[in-house]
Amino acid sequence: RKEVEQDPGPFNVPEGATVAFNCTYSNSASQSFFWYRQDCRKEPKLLMSVYSSGNEDGRFTAQLNRASQYISLLIRDSKLSDSATYLCVVYRGGATNKLIFGTGTLLAVQP
Amino acid sequence: GAGVSQTPSNKVTEKGKYVELRCDPISGHTALYWYRQSLGQGPEFLIYFQGTGAADDSGLPNDRFFAVRPEGSVSTLKIQRTERGDSAVYLCASSPSRLTDTQYFGPGTRLTVL
Repeated sequence: RKEVEQDPGPFNVPEGATVAFNCTYSNSASQSFFWYRQDCRKEPKLLMSVYSSGNEDGRFTAQLNRASQYISLLIRDSKLSDSATYLCVVYRGGATNKLIFGTGTLLAVQP
Repeated sequence: GAGVSQTPSNKVTEKGKYVELRCDPISGHTALYWYRQSLGQGPEFLIYFQGTGAADDSGLPNDRFFAVRPEGSVSTLKIQRTERGDSAVYLCASSPSRLTDTQYFGPGTRLTVL
């Protein structure tokens, strides 16, 4: 079982739709949580950090449930430009100091 | 300022050959990471440098893989006796120190082993 699990999709949605991505992680020692966006043949780029209190950035809302070890990302009013792969990422600090990525969820927003 | 740069952007080699992949981190960043991303997968951790030393190399798949960072800046990932299964995108990232969870990624080197 992978340490970070995501539904790989693809999610095909029309413009203007609301779409939700979910992710679970298995290591309770994970310290920080993120969503990264990766466009085709490009490097991953940080979309937003995820906090237990929930955080919102425009059309994007992220939520963390530490008790359930569950992370979510909600995208409202989808745009064509949102089409990309969304990677759920946890950070394990201490001596190892590494990011652990899920496989990514592919989103295709259709006109 | 300049971001993380990686060279070459693409590398095609034959099975059994030796390759070197280079990473230039953001100036002043002391922490440097290598990840490998296979098709349809998320990036997987290979090795982490703090300064010149490898603080965690637990992700290197076997002894054909080796990385160095002799002056605490540029890093080179070296792969000996390449195999077709080594084909992937090799990503480098850097961060200002080991105390931050934010890593900045380079564009990657796409390695194809024929």
